[in-house]
Amino acid sequence: GDSVTQMEGPVTLSEEAFLTINCTYTATGYPSLFWYVQYPGEGLQLLLKATKADDKGSNKGFEATYRKETTSFHLEKGSVQVSDSAVYFCALSGPRYQLIWGAGTKLIIKP
Amino acid sequence: EADIYQTPRYLVIGTGKKITLECSQTMGHDKMYWYQQDPGMELHLIHYSYGVNSTEKGDLSSESTVSRIRTEHFPLTLESARPSHTSQYLCASRNPGTGGSGELFFGEGSRLTVL
Repeated sequence: GDSVTQMEGPVTLSEEAFLTINCTYTATGYPSLFWYVQYPGEGLQLLLKATKADDKGSNKGFEATYRKETTSFHLEKGSVQVSDSAVYFCALSGPRYQLIWGAGTKLIIKP
Repeated sequence: EADIYQTPRYLVIGTGKKITLECSQTMGHDKMYWYQQDPGMELHLIHYSYGVNSTEKGDLSSESTVSRIRTEHFPLTLESARPSHTSQYLCASRNPGTGGSGELFFGEGSRLTVL
């Protein structure tokens, strides 16, 4: 069945460092791909999405490119801030109108 | 900004009590979902709905029940709460999109503690 695998956290970086959070997927067909962010004590918010191969989603300095050949959707940011500390979830559009979720990656940014 | 609301945000109750967690959205979305999540951990789908009078159980077995009498309203009920129900409950609705492109909008969550 469809699945999403994210790199395990926590990921700890210093402010202004470059960020990559890996996400790979297994799916039949051509799913849409999503990154969500969850700040402490809150629900999830859509960060970015891509709906077809080679699409690049971007928002708030974050980017991810839909790579069909490597079945990946890695999240990147050139210079992280303390305010980026959160849990990041990768997801794909699965069967029965559901999203298939990764386990989440906790990101800690130190000043 | 998403228009989906959950109440209460925080609830502490004793074992055996009946509780209802409310979820409402003003976007007219047909598809709605309830997830259970320990803070910052994996999401577990417990219920979903494709529209009025449509409800299904999710992947995680749950003793809760849901109803969908109106498009905008998707409450979750626990008839007899137990300490094992202590968790965060997240409600979401889905933008229709095309070909699976629609994203989910989440409420802020209801954090339940059962003593």
